Amino acid sequence: KAGVTQTPRYLIKTRGQQVTLSCSPISGHRSVSWYQQTPGQGLQFLFEYFSETQRNKGNFPGRFSGRQFSNSRSEMNVSTLELGDSALYLCASSLGQSALDTQYFGPGTRLTVL
Amino acid sequence: QQPVQSPQAVILREGEDAVINCSSSKALYSVHWYRQKHGEAPVFLMILLKGGEQKGHEKISASFNEKKQQSSLYLTASQLSYSGTYFCGTDGQGAQKLVFGQGTRLTINP
Repeated sequence: KAGVTQTPRYLIKTRGQQVTLSCSPISGHRSVSWYQQTPGQGLQFLFEYFSETQRNKGNFPGRFSGRQFSNSRSEMNVSTLELGDSALYLCASSLGQSALDTQYFGPGTRLTVL
Repeated sequence: QQPVQSPQAVILREGEDAVINCSSSKALYSVHWYRQKHGEAPVFLMILLKGGEQKGHEKISASFNEKKQQSSLYLTASQLSYSGTYFCGTDGQGAQKLVFGQGTRLTINP
């Protein structure tokens, strides 16, 4: 099976712009979670989707949003970019909706905000 | 609430042992361990459940102390391939999502 794929892999934007990141989960996986990774902060949970519904949301401002499509592919959007949004954005897919399900991470999208 | 990992970083020589700790202020139902090598995605290592037994695979094992709300990851006779950042993810019963620690960077030198 193909792994989790994320596009694009690298992105450079300027402050104030908006960005959309895409994640394709492993075939058959219905849950997709998004994380922001910055040095020293570890993996900060953004949100989780299961069957097109957002089930959980982390402590991020409303500028961060996401959605999931019927084929389980997911997108996250960040509007009005700030310098502090520069980070590696990881998505992870799992088979079901339980926190006990193993998460399979994608390679991430490296976002740089200038 | 984010679990706290210690140490933040450790440097070892090949063959030495390491212990990485993960503590939470909340009651835990499960603890998950992942390893991320530089420039790669995090990869699942193991999961420990409340009331479950200590898990292990070859020279990497982990324990889960429910009363202390902490887990420890043990790497014995470390190999160069063990280098990377180790994350613990914790799940409070009913939380339905993992909260990851800030990571522990492990460097193994020849």
